[in-house]
Amino acid sequence: AQKITQTQPGMFVQEKEAVTLDCTYDTSDQSYGLFWYKQPSSGEMIFLIYQGSYDEQNATEGRYSLNFQKARKSANLVISASQLGDSAMYFCAMREGERGGGADGLTFGKGTHLIIQP
Amino acid sequence: GAGVSQSPRYKVAKRGQDVALRCDPISGHVSLFWYQQALGQGPEFLTYFQNEAQLDKSGLPSDRFFAERPEGSVSTLKIQRTQQEDSAVYLCASSPYIGSRNTGELFFGEGSRLTVL
Repeated sequence: AQKITQTQPGMFVQEKEAVTLDCTYDTSDQSYGLFWYKQPSSGEMIFLIYQGSYDEQNATEGRYSLNFQKARKSANLVISASQLGDSAMYFCAMREGERGGGADGLTFGKGTHLIIQP
Repeated sequence: GAGVSQSPRYKVAKRGQDVALRCDPISGHVSLFWYQQALGQGPEFLTYFQNEAQLDKSGLPSDRFFAERPEGSVSTLKIQRTQQEDSAVYLCASSPYIGSRNTGELFFGEGSRLTVL
């Protein structure tokens, strides 16, 4: 089973609208972290926001917020007031437990290609 | 530099050639990861270093792939006898944290795009 599922391969959104990018995850660990990264066409991965599994409040960073629904294993990214520069690939990722080694790294979903239209 | 630096940014190789991809992590970062990103896909884990020790190489797709980080800073990913299916972007990421203290994000380089003809 996939650990990170992003069901929207691509999305078109009008500028200034809010957009929600879906992410569901699969883990049996109690302690884990969820991340969202943005990857513009230039290729670099830009960290956006982080949610820990024990965090009671939804994470927010400027225009980005993470809608964390633990029981549903859902960690959707919400971008408010979208801008043309938000056009990029968006990846949801998870770090599981405290196992060390490669598990300290991240498992990524397949991404969502977001295109903001003027 | 301030960020993770990778070179070359672009590499074209003929099938069967050996290639070496370099990663300069952020100074002082203990953890270093290599990821492979195929076109239209998310990055997939290849290998992990803690300082100079390669603690996890479970993601390396074959014994043609080899990575090292001899002095705990710069790392090199080497691919021997390249095949067309090796064509991908190879991303390096570093982190100042290890183990249970690893609650922070990974810092990525811009990647090395390898095309095997």
